[in-house]
Amino acid sequence: DAGVIQSPRHEVTEMGQEVTLRCKPISGHNSLFWYRQTMMRGLELLIYFNNNVPIDDSGMPEDRFSAKMPNASFSTLKIQPSEPRDSAVYFCASSLAEGPGNTIYFGEGSWLTVV
Amino acid sequence: SQELEQSPQSLIVQEGKNLTINCTSSKTLYGLYWYKQKYGEGLIFLMMLQKGGEEKSHEKITAKLDEKKQQSSLHITASQPSHAGIYLCGADIGRGSTLGRLYFGRGTQLTVWP
Repeated sequence: DAGVIQSPRHEVTEMGQEVTLRCKPISGHNSLFWYRQTMMRGLELLIYFNNNVPIDDSGMPEDRFSAKMPNASFSTLKIQPSEPRDSAVYFCASSLAEGPGNTIYFGEGSWLTVV
Repeated sequence: SQELEQSPQSLIVQEGKNLTINCTSSKTLYGLYWYKQKYGEGLIFLMMLQKGGEEKSHEKITAKLDEKKQQSSLHITASQPSHAGIYLCGADIGRGSTLGRLYFGRGTQLTVWP
């Protein structure tokens, strides 16, 4: 069974460019999460969706970041314009929220470098 | 996350030795998750604990959640090089949230040398 699929795995872009990261959650899961991992701040929750609806985006750093989930099998995280401090690994994760104690499964991550 | 403190930050042990990693929360834990991460890869789910006093084991890894549900420990018996990686604890600190938002500690970097 396929896990959480993220693309691209690696991206190097110039400052000011738009970056779009993509995620396909595990089929049947109804919750989706975007995390960012850096050496300085560790793993941070950016936003999460339940049944395609954004529930909490308080972790989104600023207006340059936006996330969408147009359907149950696809989500995007967009950064526009990108800045060097956005360089990090961005993880997408999904779970089936049936009650407390849901296991969250992570993708392999998208390594972003902004130069 | 400032709510979760992991210790130690890094650990270097000789193969065959036992080790313990701790995760302490300033709030009551409604679910405590342990993940392992290798450099350049995603997080691999290890175990999840919910009840105070609960203990789970998988192969040579045992995790416990204390009675007050504010601290968890991960214990590896007879460590092997394959155990090397970053161990992360994640916690659901929402009040019984069914959505499973997890906040993570900074991780413990484990090195096992032969």
